[in-house]
Amino acid sequence: KAGVTQTPRYLIKTRGQQVTLSCSPISGHRSVSWYQQTPGQGLQFLFEYFSETQRNKGNFPGRFSGRQFSNSRSEMNVSTLELGDSALYLCASSLGGGGGPLGEAFFGQGTRLTVV
Amino acid sequence: QQQVKQSPQSLIVQKGGIPIINCAYENTAFDYFPWYQQFPGKGPALLIAIRPDVSEKKEGRFTISFNKSAKQFSLHIMDSQPGDSATYFCAASRSGSARQLTFGSGTQLTVLP
Repeated sequence: KAGVTQTPRYLIKTRGQQVTLSCSPISGHRSVSWYQQTPGQGLQFLFEYFSETQRNKGNFPGRFSGRQFSNSRSEMNVSTLELGDSALYLCASSLGGGGGPLGEAFFGQGTRLTVV
Repeated sequence: QQQVKQSPQSLIVQKGGIPIINCAYENTAFDYFPWYQQFPGKGPALLIAIRPDVSEKKEGRFTISFNKSAKQFSLHIMDSQPGDSATYFCAASRSGSARQLTFGSGTQLTVLP
């Protein structure tokens, strides 16, 4: 079974630009969550999508947005990039059910975004 | 109330030793507690997870101990190996699933040969 696939793996952008990152979840998984990882702030939750609807949102500015398609693939977009947006962006997929063993989340390798 | 506090920040043990990483949480609504292992350049990989209806769970060399009254949980790695050298993160979430994880700050473990 293929794992979570994130593209691209590395990205360099200039301040003020926008960027779109892509995540393909594990086949059959309907929930996709996004996280930002930085040395200073650690791993922080951005948002979660399930069946094309945003179910939860973390404490990030509106420049960070996302969407999910009918095949469960998800994209996140960051507009008007700032230097502080440089981070590893991780996507996690899960079956999306409530509790029990269906709840486990599996991460992709991430997209390393550098803003210059 | 959303924080998960993890300690120590770094840990060095000899091969065969039993490193212990501790986490404490404040939000009593948390009911799912996973541990992740991350190698440089990789995403976090799920190691083991526990729910508050049990006090201990073992999977291979990894054991989670959970103390609901103290709001603490810990990871023990038995017979540690150099290949276990990685960063370990504890996390917590509500509603029994991993939909919105709150992570600890991470522990960098080094296992010396």
